[in-house]
Order: sequence, then C-alpha cells, then structure tokens
Amino acid sequence: NAGVMQNPRHLVRRRGQEARLRCSPMKGHSHVYWYRQLPEEGLKFMVYLQKENIIDESGMPKERFSAEFPKEGPSILRIQQVVRGDSAAYFCASSPEMGTEAFFGQGTRLTVV
Amino acid sequence: RKEVEQDPGPFNVPEGATVAFNCTYSNSASQSFFWYRQDCRKEPKLLMSVYSSGNEDGRFTAQLNRASQYISLLIRDSKLSDSATYLCVVNGYNTDKLIFGTGTRLQVFP
Repeated sequence: NAGVMQNPRHLVRRRGQEARLRCSPMKGHSHVYWYRQLPEEGLKFMVYLQKENIIDESGMPKERFSAEFPKEGPSILRIQQVVRGDSAAYFCASSPEMGTEAFFGQGTRLTVV
Repeated sequence: RKEVEQDPGPFNVPEGATVAFNCTYSNSASQSFFWYRQDCRKEPKLLMSVYSSGNEDGRFTAQLNRASQYISLLIRDSKLSDSATYLCVVNGYNTDKLIFGTGTRLQVFP
C-alpha cells in the first residue's frame, strides 16, 4: 500500500509565476490536509479537504492560494503569482475519516527566486 | 491563547534518561490526540495515538488529562535515535482539522 505521494519534491519558481503542488492520498483515504512549514518553525494548518469538498480553509491566505480535491485525481494546492515569502516546505497528509490519525507525504520544497 | 501549546525545548538528556513532554490544548471539546515525531527536514511521522485510559508502546507512554486539558509523552531509556522534534496534535470538534503544536526538540547525547 503506497504511502502519501507528493510531487514535485522540489520546485523552483520565479516571482510572479504559478506553483502547483500535487498530493495523492493513501489508498482508501478520502481526507486530505495541507500544511506549510517555514525553516525552524512549526507546521501551520492551511486547508482540510474531503473529496470534492473544502471542509476548512481557515488557514489559507485569502489571495493567491487555492486548493482542490477532485473526485478523480490528486489534491492540488495552487499558488498564483508567487512571492519570496511563499518559499517553504508544503506537506500533505491523508486520513481515512474525520478525527483519525493522518499520514504525511515527504513534502514539496518550494523555492521562489 | 494558542490552540495547542508545547515547550519548545530543547531538552538535552543523556542516553538512558527518562524525559517527559507536556502539551496543553484550548478546545475542551477536542476528541482525538496524537504524538508525532519529526526529524530535521523530514515529514512528521505518527508516533502514537493518545487514549483516555493512557497507552504505552515500548519505551513510550502517552497520557491524557481532560480535566486539565493536557497530554503528555514519557520516553524511558532514551536512545540517541530518539533525538527529534516531538509534535503534539489535537483535532478540533467541529471540523476535525488536525492542529499541530510547534514541537518540543529532544537531543539525546552519549
């Protein structure tokens, strides 16, 4: 049973470009979380999704950031017009249902130059 | 008040020592509690779930105190390989999002 898969592992974007981060949950998991981690800081919750639904996006910046988890295919975190401050590690986690433990992917390290 | 609070440490302990971490949470309606471990620049990994009755897994013991709204992790006979950041995780009641504490750093030395 493959774990949570994130790609790309590393992504470099110039300021103003778009970044698309992908997350394929573990088989049988219908819940996905996205977190951001800056160097030497903790994990900051961004968004919590179930298939085709956003359950909680209270941690997501209001502008430039969006997330989806379609019926088919991976969850996508999209960052438009990236700025240097968006440089961070973005982790995705999946769980089989609400309130249960979540399992993490290896993360995508975004660098904005 | 932060939703989940942990002492950032670092805790520097010799091999073989016993070390305990505490974590407090603000939402009295929280239902699920976990401890994760994160090694430098790696993804967090589930260490153990925390049950109301407390639970033990080898050298690791987790306790939950609902009245005081804190959870604890006890590590006995520390190993060098236990050096990592330990993350306390609590889920919310309404949306069940998992909220992470900022972590407690443990360094075990020879």
